Amino acid sequence: SQELEQSPQSLIVQEGKNLTINCTSSKTLYGLYWYKQKYGEGLIFLMMLQKGGEEKSHEKITAKLDEKKQQSSLHITASQPSHAGIYLCGADRPNTGNQFYFGTGTSLTVIP
Amino acid sequence: EPEVTQTPSHQVTQMGQEVILRCVPISNHLYFYWYRQILGQKVEFLVSFYNNEISEKSEIFDDQFSVERPDGSNFTLKIRSTKLEDSAMYFCASSELASGGGTQYFGPGTRLLVL
Repeated sequence: SQELEQSPQSLIVQEGKNLTINCTSSKTLYGLYWYKQKYGEGLIFLMMLQKGGEEKSHEKITAKLDEKKQQSSLHITASQPSHAGIYLCGADRPNTGNQFYFGTGTSLTVIP
Repeated sequence: EPEVTQTPSHQVTQMGQEVILRCVPISNHLYFYWYRQILGQKVEFLVSFYNNEISEKSEIFDDQFSVERPDGSNFTLKIRSTKLEDSAMYFCASSELASGGGTQYFGPGTRLLVL
């Protein structure tokens, strides 16, 4: 089965520091999505990447998809307490109509 | 900005009881989804719905579960006879296009506790 592994599982950083979260698949990804989940709340869509080598940025968050479309990274510059939460990568399951699956999640804590 | 809404935010029920979780997807979206997240575990796909019928379902979505779009705005998940292991956060999502072309937007979730 296709799995999305995220690393690290959890991250604690000082406010102002940069950080990177990785999402790795054993198979080619067709659409890679990043979501953020605040503790006990819903998922907030951050970015979608589809093309190999694609990079997107929104405010202080940059996401990249590698050329082989098997790994994505999410980079936060100058982290703030508002960045705290659980970051999930998600992907479309190939050869299905509408199945979508999520990675294992990375819990981010930002210490003021 | 349009958003997916879910009610109730929390539901406590006795084992064996029926529960209905409600969702109002974004109005121009055509594809609807339910997901489940057991505490401390991954978000798991349950079912997708398009054109008034189920288009995909996972192994979790057994005969105890059903979905319905009773009118033009609501999308519901019914659990016929709840079990303890149904306790989880249930998320509804909707997208304008099918998975693979459309981003799914999620509701805030309903936390279900089965006693």
